[in-house]
Amino acid sequence: EVQVVESGGGLVQPGGSLRLACAASGFTFNTYWMTWVRQAPGKGLEWVANINQDASGKYYVDSVKGRFTISRDNAKNSLYLQMNSLRVEDTAVYYCARSDYGDPIDSWGQGTLVTVSS
Amino acid sequence: QPVVTQSSSASASVGSSVKLTCTLDSGHRAYIIAWHQQQPGKAPRYLMRLEGSGSYKKGSGVPDRFSGSSSGADRFLTISTLQSEDGAEYYCETWDSNTRVFGTGTKVTVL
Repeated sequence: EVQVVESGGGLVQPGGSLRLACAASGFTFNTYWMTWVRQAPGKGLEWVANINQDASGKYYVDSVKGRFTISRDNAKNSLYLQMNSLRVEDTAVYYCARSDYGDPIDSWGQGTLVTVSS
Repeated sequence: QPVVTQSSSASASVGSSVKLTCTLDSGHRAYIIAWHQQQPGKAPRYLMRLEGSGSYKKGSGVPDRFSGSSSGADRFLTISTLQSEDGAEYYCETWDSNTRVFGTGTKVTVL
């Protein structure tokens, strides 16, 4: 069974940093692109970042460019999102998702809540 | 970058059918989309991949009452024999090169 499980969310002050992690299982991790999607309270889904299989390609929504970094460790079947210079508007549930190039997201994690507040 | 548009809400009675629409902008009308369901308080769930031809492929365990179809730039999700647990937000997703785009979601209320 395909499974992705996020961790690392929490409360952080504006300007602070947080690192999210996603543990993947049930599939050959190093053959898939991976994605982070977020959902602000009461709002819709927003794509945040993608990473290709060998981490040579990383892509971001404009609002997080220069502040967030997506990475992966294929030996550990893990995906990460380093979030720096956090803003109040980054408050959201962050979902880890499996996707592939040219295909939709087909598996979602349960999400981890990031709250940016003073 | 593609843009997808969804109506904000829909409602139907238990046992009836509801048809949701996701419309691609004119420059991307041939694009493939996906439908995702998000029940209240839960993570999204992948429902299906839907092509411009109307061909669709559902995710594992998605009930038969969910089906997809297409017409021009419109991509449809039909839920037949509506059940109470189908009350949820439904999002369409598409992608272009290395980015992904979501619609604003359609809230389905089961009466």
